[in-house]
Amino acid sequence: EVQLVESGGGLVQPGGSLRVSCVASGFTVIGNHMTWVRQAPGQGLDWVSVIFSNGTTYYADSVKGRFTLSRDISENTVYLQMNSLRVEDTAVYYCVRGGANFDSWGQGTLVSVSS
Amino acid sequence: DIQMTQSPSSLSASVGDRVTITCQASQDISTYLNWYQQNPGKAPKLLMFDASSLEAGVPSRFSGSGSGTDFTFTISRLQPEDIGTYYCQQYDILPRTFGQGTKVEI
Repeated sequence: EVQLVESGGGLVQPGGSLRVSCVASGFTVIGNHMTWVRQAPGQGLDWVSVIFSNGTTYYADSVKGRFTLSRDISENTVYLQMNSLRVEDTAVYYCVRGGANFDSWGQGTLVSVSS
Repeated sequence: DIQMTQSPSSLSASVGDRVTITCQASQDISTYLNWYQQNPGKAPKLLMFDASSLEAGVPSRFSGSGSGTDFTFTISRLQPEDIGTYYCQQYDILPRTFGQGTKVEI
């Protein structure tokens, strides 16, 4: 069974850093494209970043230079390192399998940026 | 970036009704379009890909059509479990972009 479990969310002050993790089971992250999508409270879905199976990464302009997506093949885990966090980064962050068709989603982890 | 515009933003219908949502892309995306359902408090779920292909296990009352810039998503007979918000998403180019969502209520 395909499963994605995110962790690492929490409350952080503006300018701070946080790393969220996504442990995958039922498939390998190295054999799949993996994406992060976020959803601000009461708002719609917002694409954040993707790591393709070849290791290439892409970022939304809103997070470029501040967020870094990586993976640990031995742990079958993807990570989203978020630096220089802003109030507008407050959202539930979903880990998703796929680079185009998002066919499996985690339950999400809430990141709150506030002073 | 490609802008995706959905309409309506919300609708209210009765059980058994036919419900239609439209999605317009700001440029030609061929059929590189997905539809997702997000039930209240849950993660989104992929319903349709390639504009008109049903994801495995999704009921046949859901359907989609369109190509280029104009797309339609239909629920033929609305069921109580269909309440939630529906999103279109293009995957022609990066960044992937979503419509703003259509909230369906009964």
